[in-house]
Amino acid sequence: GQNIDQPTEMTATEGAIVQINCTYQTSGFNGLFWYQQHAGEAPTFLSYNVLDGLEEKGRFSSFLSRSKGYSYLLLKELQMKDSASYLCAVMGAAGNKLTFGGGTRVLVKP
Amino acid sequence: EADIYQTPRYLVIGTGKKITLECSQTMGHDKMYWYQQDPGMELHLIHYSYGVNSTEKGDLSSESTVSRIRTEHFPLTLESARPSHTSQYLCASSDSSDVDTEAFFGQGTRLTVV
Repeated sequence: GQNIDQPTEMTATEGAIVQINCTYQTSGFNGLFWYQQHAGEAPTFLSYNVLDGLEEKGRFSSFLSRSKGYSYLLLKELQMKDSASYLCAVMGAAGNKLTFGGGTRVLVKP
Repeated sequence: EADIYQTPRYLVIGTGKKITLECSQTMGHDKMYWYQQDPGMELHLIHYSYGVNSTEKGDLSSESTVSRIRTEHFPLTLESARPSHTSQYLCASSDSSDVDTEAFFGQGTRLTVV
């Protein structure tokens, strides 16, 4: 089975940096995805990691350590529009099953 | 922009009715998923398919059923709707030829059973 854990909520100030951690225990691993979901909307893709290390994409970076079953999403230069839920998802063995964590609700304050 | 569509966007229906939620994608993706999500809560995988005539149950038990007769179409059916089925249902698809291809989501169907 799959077990994916992330904090429920985080609050940060506009312009600051926030790091959202995700730990996972899965029966197989074919990559980890981060999605952003605004209230009432569908999730949208942010990043993908399958090898250890840091992937940078503009203000967003994602890190993976497969040996530790750990990833984080780093949001820099926070903007008010970044207030959303951030979902960690793992693609399991055979690449067939995409399972999501509970999501981390990030609130950006002025 | 993702080419995956769900209909209807909103549905209010009485208890005991049979309903089918439609999901279609025009990207030729072989993998498709159904997730159930209550407001402010996590996404739960209820069904997935990795190709025509293949369907699997997800992590959350669901009274719904699915079919995959055509690559582009993955409908979800509730034979007898109950108030406990009230939720948002999200369909997604991805391409297995590249493991790093992300899943694209439809806009969801918000179902209310009264």
